[in-house]
Amino acid sequence: AQTVTQSQPEMSVQEAETVTLSCTYDTSESDYYLFWYKQPPSRQMILVIRQEAYKQQNATENRFSVNFQKAAKSFSLKISDSQLGDAAMYFCAYRGSEKLVFGKGTKLTVNP
Amino acid sequence: DVKVTQSSRYLVKRTGEKVFLECVQDMDHENMFWYRQDPGLGLRLIYFSYDVKMKEKGDIPEGYSVSREKKERFSLILESASTNQTSMYLCASSLQVSGYTFGSGTRLTVV
Repeated sequence: AQTVTQSQPEMSVQEAETVTLSCTYDTSESDYYLFWYKQPPSRQMILVIRQEAYKQQNATENRFSVNFQKAAKSFSLKISDSQLGDAAMYFCAYRGSEKLVFGKGTKLTVNP
Repeated sequence: DVKVTQSSRYLVKRTGEKVFLECVQDMDHENMFWYRQDPGLGLRLIYFSYDVKMKEKGDIPEGYSVSREKKERFSLILESASTNQTSMYLCASSLQVSGYTFGSGTRLTVV
């Protein structure tokens, strides 16, 4: 079965600085999707960014970008120019031929 | 945008009660899911459905059942609520190869 590991339960960053959240996964599939979700205190899970495994180019959405290393099975999220509104739980997720599998999350604090 | 609506934001129920959590999505998605979220444990899949009247057990189905009579609605049922089912419950829907769209969650407290 696929597993997703987020090794950082908590991270903090100063406003306007850059932070990287780590994620590794384990799979024997060659075709899959990877996601980062954000869950602010409002509890709504919001899709931040998505990466198709067959694409070598790293996905980017405004201030959010990923470093996808397929051979290493690593999928980190970089947040540039951090803002107070970025404070949230961040979940890494994997989807192959079956259902979505989540990591346990990283709580990001943004300090003013 | 796809909208996934969970009928209650907060619920308080007594031990032994039968509890229904409702979820409705408005974009004709085939797949629907129920998760529970607990601190330190992340999201754990309870049940999912790939079609009307179809259901599959997730990782932690014990103590729960589901119903999907219409494509847009997926209900989670706690047959006899217990205190260890106090949790945040999240519903989600998706197309076959897309990411999931989540509802805003129901925080259930069983006393």
